[in-house]
Amino acid sequence: DSGVTQTPKHLITATGQRVTLRCSPRSGDLSVYWYQQSLDQGLQFLIQYYNGEERAKGNILERFSAQQFPDLHSELNLSSLELGDSALYFCASSAGTLRNNEQFFGPGTRLTVL
Amino acid sequence: DQQVKQNSPSLSVQEGRISILNCDYTNSMFDYFLWYKKYPAEGPTFLISISSIKDKNEDGRFTVFLNKSAKHLSLHIVPSQPGDSAVYFCAASSALQTGANNLFFGTGTRLTVIP
Repeated sequence: DSGVTQTPKHLITATGQRVTLRCSPRSGDLSVYWYQQSLDQGLQFLIQYYNGEERAKGNILERFSAQQFPDLHSELNLSSLELGDSALYFCASSAGTLRNNEQFFGPGTRLTVL
Repeated sequence: DQQVKQNSPSLSVQEGRISILNCDYTNSMFDYFLWYKKYPAEGPTFLISISSIKDKNEDGRFTVFLNKSAKHLSLHIVPSQPGDSAVYFCAASSALQTGANNLFFGTGTRLTVIP
């Protein structure tokens, strides 16, 4: 158990809909990352927050947005969903933003868009 | 554009033998490299890392080798055990250069250790 929790575990929805994925980081970790893993792909970095502020952005679509709340949990919002958004979405947390701050990953949320 | 590549989707090794997993990268700004291990229905877990100023780092049965000129790194597991069967992801970071410590992942290699 990494200490990072993600809800829900599975989500099935239809094209055009909007969903929210939730992540609670390990106790004390200030940095939260979101990654997307599509079929047979590596994890693709989407976005990082540090202590409530956006820290880095990857190839995140404009239809996607995220935020980190004062209690440090984070939410990833996906809207106008398309079939290609079906993927595993992982959240990770780390103590800080240094390269040797180990990232601990949650179990992921599997999103299926029908 | 895949900046970190793992060209072998799968590898099978006999228990007790050496497992060698390979990874190539294209971005010369990467200065920190990591290996993650992933079991089904779980998130990746950190295994071992290496800074770009080193060419080898060892932790128990796991050793990572870095060849900067070839932009290549490898993970050696010796001796391999059935519990090592998992998907292994190579990852890289350019935090020293960019200030951002997000990771770039390869597509993974599924290791099967045969008892």
